[in-house]
Order: sequence, then C-alpha cells, then structure tokens
Amino acid sequence: DVKVTQSSRYLVKRTGEKVFLECVQDMDHENMFWYRQDPGLGLRLIYFSYDVKMKEKGDIPEGYSVSREKKERFSLILESASTNQTSMYLCASSLRLAGGLAGLPDGELFFGEGSRLTVL
Amino acid sequence: GIQVEQSPPDLILQEGANSTLRCNFSDSVNNLQWFHQNPWGQLINLFYIPSGTKQNGRLSATTVATERYSLLYISSSQTTDSGVYFCAVEQNTNAGKSTFGDGTTLTVKP
Repeated sequence: DVKVTQSSRYLVKRTGEKVFLECVQDMDHENMFWYRQDPGLGLRLIYFSYDVKMKEKGDIPEGYSVSREKKERFSLILESASTNQTSMYLCASSLRLAGGLAGLPDGELFFGEGSRLTVL
Repeated sequence: GIQVEQSPPDLILQEGANSTLRCNFSDSVNNLQWFHQNPWGQLINLFYIPSGTKQNGRLSATTVATERYSLLYISSSQTTDSGVYFCAVEQNTNAGKSTFGDGTTLTVKP
C-alpha cells in the first residue's frame, strides 16, 4: 500500500515563526503536492513538484515556499507564519504515468493524514 | 478553469438506506477520483475511475466521461460512512493538478 506520512498532525505556532511541514512517501512517486483545506473554500493547491528539485506554483502560493531535495520528501515552508495561514494542510503524491512529460495524465492521488496548523 | 459541482451538498440518512452522490464537471477530463474524508481529516481513496463502473463492497461508482458526470452509490449505509465525500478531476491541459468539488457531507444516523 502507498503510504504518505506527514510529520505533524497538530501544530501551534506564533505569528512570525518559521514553520516546516514535512511529507514523505514510500512508493517512488514522481509527483508530490501540498494543499490547504479551509471551511467554505474547499481544497486549494499551494505548490506541486514533478521531480527532485522541481517546483511549480499552484493556485495560492503566496506566503509559502517548498523544497524537494529527495524524491520521497516534499517540504512546505512558511517563512513567517501569519494567522491567515491557520488551516489544515494536506500532502499528496501520485505516479507519473507517461514517463515524465508535462501535459500527459498522471496517476491516482494518495493523501497523507493531514497537519492542522494553528497560528496565534 | 474547469468547474466541478457536487450534489447534494448535505445528505442525512438512516442507517441501512441507500444513497447516490453526483459529480458534474464542465470539461473533458483524464482522471477522476472519489475520496472520503474521515472525521480526523484524512482523505481516503475510494475509486480511481476516469470512465466506466467499479464496485468495492457496498460502494460503487460510475463515470460517464462523454456526459461529464460521475456517480457514487452507497448501499446499506452505516454510521461509519459519515463524513465528506469529494470528487476530484484532472485535465490533460493541466496534467498533475487536480480540481476538487466542494464535497457532499453525509450523516448516517443510527
């Protein structure tokens, strides 16, 4: 079974702190994603990565950065946390079906357990 | 961008009842998935179903890609089926990026 593991289930941070959310997958998936989920706004894509050292902006990248130094690990970084970044953060991964070319379909998406971040 | 609409937004059932959840999408898609979000927030994969019909126990799903909709059937519902059900689609022009519907919140009462 695919396993996507997020480092922290619950975090409480203060405004201005630097926050790292870690995500590790064990199925050699090329694609990894970070979403946030908020009541009334659904799931929104923050950043994604097609491969090591690659990153692409999603729909709401402002205030976030990411790092993908190893294929299995995708980190979301909040450089200076703000109260409006209080949210549920969901990491996901998927297999690239077509050999790594953009514009071609990808495989089934698998999610981690989620990280609930509260910024005070 | 593509629009994904799920209906109904909320559904309340008695244990043992059957239900049908719908997902409409506004453009052609390569992939479609159904998820169940459990009370702890994790999204659990139910079906990966770009087209056709699949069954897994009491759950089944059908996607009619040419008519741009998918249906999730839950039979003999149990209280553990409660939670939010999401549909997510991926387009060829936006490969790797899935668009989610707003979800259907299902409550199954004992």
